[in-house]
Amino acid sequence: AQKVTQAQTEISVVEKEDVTLDCVYETRDTTYYLFWYKQPPSGELVFLIRRNSFDEQNEISGRYSWNFQKSTSSFNFTITASQVVDSAVYFCALSEPFSGNTPLVFGKGTRLSVIA
Amino acid sequence: SQTIHQWPATLVQPVGSPLSLECTVEGTSNPNLYWYRQAAGRGLQLLFYSVGIGQISSEVPQNLSASRPQDRQFILSSKKLLLSDSGFYLCAWSSGGQGMIDTQYFGPGTRLTVL
Repeated sequence: AQKVTQAQTEISVVEKEDVTLDCVYETRDTTYYLFWYKQPPSGELVFLIRRNSFDEQNEISGRYSWNFQKSTSSFNFTITASQVVDSAVYFCALSEPFSGNTPLVFGKGTRLSVIA
Repeated sequence: SQTIHQWPATLVQPVGSPLSLECTVEGTSNPNLYWYRQAAGRGLQLLFYSVGIGQISSEVPQNLSASRPQDRQFILSSKKLLLSDSGFYLCAWSSGGQGMIDTQYFGPGTRLTVL
């Protein structure tokens, strides 16, 4: 069964610190997609990244980077030099598009607070 | 470019009253549409999704229902609200097609309080 675990419920860091948000997933499919979304205080979920199961290359976008490791079923998200604007709830999600299961399963989210 | 709208933005309703939340998407055709609920301090729960007009899949049995009267319109309804229906309701869309491969993009949400 598909499952996403974000073990860190809340993280608090001081501005300019680096922070890593963990995501561990479970799937029986060989074809799947992993996502990260950001939910700022306004509530809208903002798409950050999508990675398919055949592409294990790490991704960097500005201060954001993602480490996908199939060997440990993890898709971790690192924010470098964190800023107050990074304060939000971050969700990791898993899609198994050909399984007939729920289209997108979310983890419970990690609330990140960046303190000035 | 595609945009997704939801209204109302906030709603306060008494227990037992009806509900109608609307979601519309612009700039795309035949999208897949989704309704999620997020209870206070909790994760997202998929309620319904639709791959076409009149086609609704329900993920969780409850007193809510969904309808898709037009290609880019998705409506969430209830005949009688419960206290437990309070939460943040998010609509999302993705490109239509087989396998639901594409990314889901979310609307601004409706915050519902049932008193």
